[in-house]
Amino acid sequence: GQQVMQIPQYQHVQEGEDFTTYCNSSTTLSNIQWYKQRPGGHPVFLIQLVKSGEVKKQKRLTFQFGEAKKNSSLHITATQTTDVGTYFCANSYDKVIFGPGTSLSVIP
Amino acid sequence: NAGVTQTPKFQVLKTGQSMTLQCAQDMNHEYMSWYRQDPGMGLRLIHYSVGAGITDQGEVPNGYNVSRSTTEDFPLRLLSAAPSQTSVYFCASSYTQGARETQYFGPGTRLLVL
Repeated sequence: GQQVMQIPQYQHVQEGEDFTTYCNSSTTLSNIQWYKQRPGGHPVFLIQLVKSGEVKKQKRLTFQFGEAKKNSSLHITATQTTDVGTYFCANSYDKVIFGPGTSLSVIP
Repeated sequence: NAGVTQTPKFQVLKTGQSMTLQCAQDMNHEYMSWYRQDPGMGLRLIHYSVGAGITDQGEVPNGYNVSRSTTEDFPLRLLSAAPSQTSVYFCASSYTQGARETQYFGPGTRLLVL
């Protein structure tokens, strides 16, 4: 199937530290989407990666798609309290399947 | 545009009761889907639709029915609610090409089955 796994499940960081979440699949992925869900909110689209080895940046966020298109990562530089939430990767082809998410806590 | 709307926001049911969770979008999106979110389980796909009149099962379809008679609406029916269906339900939609486009989520429905 299209299952994607994410690690870690939880991450607690001091404000200003970096944070990385990893998304892995046993099969080649057509693309990867990343979403953020704030506590009590709904998932919000961040970005989509399609090409092998693709790297995209959004301010302090860096997204990578692996060369083999079986893994992806989201890296946040110098975390802030506004980064708190759960980050999901998702694979989309005929339907969208989400990974279990990484919950980020930022200690001020 | 209102985007994706869901009603009700909260609902309490007794085991065996039936109900319909409403989802509507005003963006002329072809692709719509329903997810449930449980602690530690992420978002699991229940059913999805690539256009009016077309629906298909996702990862966890048992206990749920859907229909798509119009482009705008995609209701989710629980025929006989069970405590295991206590969850937060999200509806999402996207343009044609569907799953490969940005998914826009509704605010969610929090369901408690006693």
